[in-house]
Amino acid sequence: EVQLVESGGGLVKPGSSLKLSCVASGFTFSSYGMHWIRQAPKKGLEWIALIYYDSSNKYYADSVKGRFTISRDNSKNTLYLEMNSLRSEDTAMYYCAKGSLGYWGQGVMVTVSS
Amino acid sequence: DIVMTQAPLSVSVTPGESASISCRSSKSLLHSNGITYVYWYLQKPGKSPQLLIYRMSNLASGVPDRFSGSGSETDFTLKISRVEAEDVGIYYCGQLLENPYTFGAGTKLELK
Repeated sequence: EVQLVESGGGLVKPGSSLKLSCVASGFTFSSYGMHWIRQAPKKGLEWIALIYYDSSNKYYADSVKGRFTISRDNSKNTLYLEMNSLRSEDTAMYYCAKGSLGYWGQGVMVTVSS
Repeated sequence: DIVMTQAPLSVSVTPGESASISCRSSKSLLHSNGITYVYWYLQKPGKSPQLLIYRMSNLASGVPDRFSGSGSETDFTLKISRVEAEDVGIYYCGQLLENPYTFGAGTKLELK
């Protein structure tokens, strides 16, 4: 059974940094591209980052480009999202998702507020 | 960026009846490989989104065959026949043709 478990969220002040993790199981993690998608409270879905299976390519939404970094450690079956210079508009539930968004984690909440 | 426009924003359906949700993309989602990269997701209340339909018309694993997807290069439809209580939630279409991947605003399905 595919499982994706995010962690690392919390309440931080504007300008702060945070690093999210997503531990994968139930599939060959090193064979799939992985994504981060977020959802602001009461809002729709916003794709924010993709990393290829071998980390050879990374893509970002303009809203996070230059501030967020996606990475992975295939030896640990873990996906990461390093978030810097956080803003109030980054407040959202953050989901990791596998491949063609066929499986999603339960999400982790990030709140940016002073 | 490709804009995905859904309609209606909400729909109220009597259990046992059918419902249709439309989605239009600002650009053709038909790849040169013949695959149309539109996907449908359902987000049940308090839950993560789940995949219903992939590549326009393919039913995801474990999804009841009451759900079906169809369309052209830019106009797509999700149909739910015989709506049940468990179908309540917000339905999103999304395009995975090119970065940035984008989603429609969502259609909220409620029961009458």
